[in-house]
Amino acid sequence: EVQLVESGGGLVQPGESLRLSCAISGFTFSNYWMHWVRQGPGKGLLWVSRISSDGSDTHYADSVKGRFTISRDNAKNTLFLQMNNLGAEDTALYYCVRGGFNYGRGIDYWGRGTLVTVSS
Amino acid sequence: DIVLTQSPDSLAVSLGERATINCKSSQSLLYSSDNKNALAWFQQKPGQPPNLLIYWTSTRESGVPDRFSGSGSGTDFTLTINSLQAEDVAVYYCQQYYSTPPTFGQGTKVEIK
Repeated sequence: EVQLVESGGGLVQPGESLRLSCAISGFTFSNYWMHWVRQGPGKGLLWVSRISSDGSDTHYADSVKGRFTISRDNAKNTLFLQMNNLGAEDTALYYCVRGGFNYGRGIDYWGRGTLVTVSS
Repeated sequence: DIVLTQSPDSLAVSLGERATINCKSSQSLLYSSDNKNALAWFQQKPGQPPNLLIYWTSTRESGVPDRFSGSGSGTDFTLTINSLQAEDVAVYYCQQYYSTPPTFGQGTKVEIK
């Protein structure tokens, strides 16, 4: 069974940092691109970032470029999102998502999310 | 960025009736090389993550009931739920994976009338 379990969310003040993790099981992690997608309170879905299966290629939404860094440890089946200089607009539920088809661009399985709240 | 606009924002349908959700893209999502449109549909029930229903416009994900169907091409797409069931109450999102960044529609809330 495919499982993606996010952790690392919490309450932080504006300007602070957080590192999210996503533990993967049930599939060969190193074969898949992975994504982070976020959802603000009562809002829609917003793609954040994507990383290739070997970690060599990354993409970011303009709203987080230069502040967020996606990475992965294929030996530990774990995806990361380092988030720096957080602002209130980053408050959201962050989902770890698998890029299951179309060379990783198509997303299929989602974790349950980890909540990030940025507030003073 | 490609903008996806869903209509309506919400709809109420009687049990057993049909629900139709539209998704219009600001650009074509058609890969001319293989004649496939890079459009997916997700269902999100309250308190749950989104669940993939349909990809490549009309291919149902494994385990998705056949009352869900997708159609369309180019810039106009439709999700149809035939014979609506109580468990279909959810917000539905279209999503394009044709280009980066991948983008989502704003969502359509489906309720029981």
